[in-house]
Amino acid sequence: EVQLLESGGGLVQPGGSLRLSCAASGFTFNSFVISWVRQPPGKGLEWVSGMSGSGGRTYYADSVKGRFTISRDTSKNTLYLQMRSLRVDDTAVYYCAKDQVPGAVSLVGHAMDVWGQGTTVTVS
Amino acid sequence: QSVLTQPPSVSGAPGQRVTISCTGSSSNIGAGYDVHWYQQLPGTAPKLLIYVNSNRPSGVPDRFSGSKSDTSASLAISGLQAGDEADYYCQSYDSSLSGVIFGGGTKLTVL
Repeated sequence: EVQLLESGGGLVQPGGSLRLSCAASGFTFNSFVISWVRQPPGKGLEWVSGMSGSGGRTYYADSVKGRFTISRDTSKNTLYLQMRSLRVDDTAVYYCAKDQVPGAVSLVGHAMDVWGQGTTVTVS
Repeated sequence: QSVLTQPPSVSGAPGQRVTISCTGSSSNIGAGYDVHWYQQLPGTAPKLLIYVNSNRPSGVPDRFSGSKSDTSASLAISGLQAGDEADYYCQSYDSSLSGVIFGGGTKLTVL
């Protein structure tokens, strides 16, 4: 079964740091763009960051550029999101989601067909 | 303020048909980028509902359909059921932002 499982969320003070993990299983980790998408309480979805299947390309929303870093450990089939200089408006449920289409060398807006259950980050 | 504009809410009676619009611009939908739709039931992760403008993943009923034209897209839901009550989001790509974009979401209420 194709699965994504997030962890690492929690309560952190403004200015603090947190690292989220997204453990993947059931598919070839290196073949798909995987993104982080967040949802503030009571609000809509916001794409945060993505990494190409090869790991060679990373992408960030302007709202997190310079503060968040996406990375991965292929030996563990795990994607990470290192979050620094956290702000109150970073409070959200953070989901990881994989692209539906394999083999993309860059972020092109493919549909995301598998989502994790989310992990909650509270900055307060 | 989302780059893709959706109505905040729509409603319909059981059995009726509703449509949800998603309006973009020349740097996203109008540039030819595909539109995808997600359904988010309360307290759950989003679920892919329509991909590449009008295609349904396996398991999604044919009551759900999508279309795209010029700088906008639409999701239609026919034969409304109580279980369709959810938030619906459109998604595309924006070349000016060099990133994935979502609509603000539409809450569907089945009366």
